[in-house]
Amino acid sequence: KNQVEQSPQSLIILEGKNCTLQCNYTVSPFSNLRWYKQDTGRGPVSLTIMTFSENTKSNGRYTATLDADTKQSSLHITASQLSDSASYICVVSDRGSTLGRLYFGRGTQLTVWP
Amino acid sequence: EADIYQTPRYLVIGTGKKITLECSQTMGHDKMYWYQQDPGMELHLIHYSYGVNSTEKGDLSSESTVSRIRTEHFPLTLESARPSHTSQYLCASSDDRGLDQPQHFGDGTRLSIL
Repeated sequence: KNQVEQSPQSLIILEGKNCTLQCNYTVSPFSNLRWYKQDTGRGPVSLTIMTFSENTKSNGRYTATLDADTKQSSLHITASQLSDSASYICVVSDRGSTLGRLYFGRGTQLTVWP
Repeated sequence: EADIYQTPRYLVIGTGKKITLECSQTMGHDKMYWYQQDPGMELHLIHYSYGVNSTEKGDLSSESTVSRIRTEHFPLTLESARPSHTSQYLCASSDDRGLDQPQHFGDGTRLSIL
């Protein structure tokens, strides 16, 4: 069964600290993995996309990694800011985002305290 | 910021009413989607469209219907609202030129049926 599991479910960190969010998936075939950020009361916004051949990709203070062999991805946030408080959703596509299905994780709710 | 708009943002209405949730995008995207999202849960695809006069049901069974008469407009209708329809509804669109295009989400309609 194709699934996307995220951990932890929720996380609280102090401003300025780093954190890592995890995503494990069983989706096959695999095309790409995307991390979205969803602020409270807003729609999700794409942060990064990882394809099969990519191991790491950065977007400012966000760095995503992918291990296609173990079917794991992580999102590392450096020097957290209050504005990083949001839900981070891992989404896996089986045949390309425009052709295949998208499998959504339940998200990790990150809270950054001052 | 993606140019995709949903109205209303919030709606509280009684059982049995007919409801239409509006979604419009100004990016010229052919593909549009409706998702249902409950707190702490993953997004579930309820309808999608690959272009004008094209609509398909998604993975999650829904009593709602959609129409796609114009490229930019993808409204969702509930003929007779019930408390079980209480949820957040997210509309999205994507560019079908090339694989791995991100979905651009609206900010959602939070629907409460009394």
